Amino acid sequence: NAGVTQTPKFRVLKTGQSMTLLCAQDMNHEYMYWYRQDPGMGLRLIHYSVGEGTTAKGEVPDGYNVSRLKKQNFLLGLESAAPSQTSVYFCASSPAYGLAGVPYFGPGTRLTVT
Amino acid sequence: GESVGLHLPTLSVQEGDNSIINCAYSNSASDYFIWYKQESGKGPQFIIDIRSNMDKRQGQRVTVLLNKTVKHLSLQIAATQPGDSAVYFCAEKWEYGNKLVFGAGTILRVKS
Repeated sequence: NAGVTQTPKFRVLKTGQSMTLLCAQDMNHEYMYWYRQDPGMGLRLIHYSVGEGTTAKGEVPDGYNVSRLKKQNFLLGLESAAPSQTSVYFCASSPAYGLAGVPYFGPGTRLTVT
Repeated sequence: GESVGLHLPTLSVQEGDNSIINCAYSNSASDYFIWYKQESGKGPQFIIDIRSNMDKRQGQRVTVLLNKTVKHLSLQIAATQPGDSAVYFCAEKWEYGNKLVFGAGTILRVKS
């Protein structure tokens, strides 16, 4: 049981390039989330999904797209990377909605956009 | 632990002492709270949670206290160890909301 895994661990992009971050969970969780963490700040929600085939916007969705084609995977895409998207990205999953759904986090992807 | 931008509040304690990390939450409608620990280079790790119908909950070496009157949460760590050194985040959630809102975090440094 690997929990939540993220690929890649590190990436450097040039402004305008695109990339996809992959998140996978093997806990059969319904809910999945993408957060970003900037220095000295808490995590901010980018997008989330409440089930296979569904996605919704979080606090800071601009410049990102997501897809949840399979229950165990949640992809985060950057179509045209900008330096402001330099951050550490965390994926999380939780078993349920509401009070019972404690999100469990992956190890993170450190992205630098030059 | 109020956010001060890039400079997170830091708590330094001696090994073996008790630690108290504080958090002020923002939404009076929040009814679920979680404490996470984040070690350098890792993702946040769940420590303990508490619902708004409780004012205290204990785990192994950790206690969370909730004061809804002043919207304040604290995490107490007993007999702090070097392995407790990390950034600690509180997070609040509203039952009918979809997002977990995180505080900026507090750095805990344990001196041996």
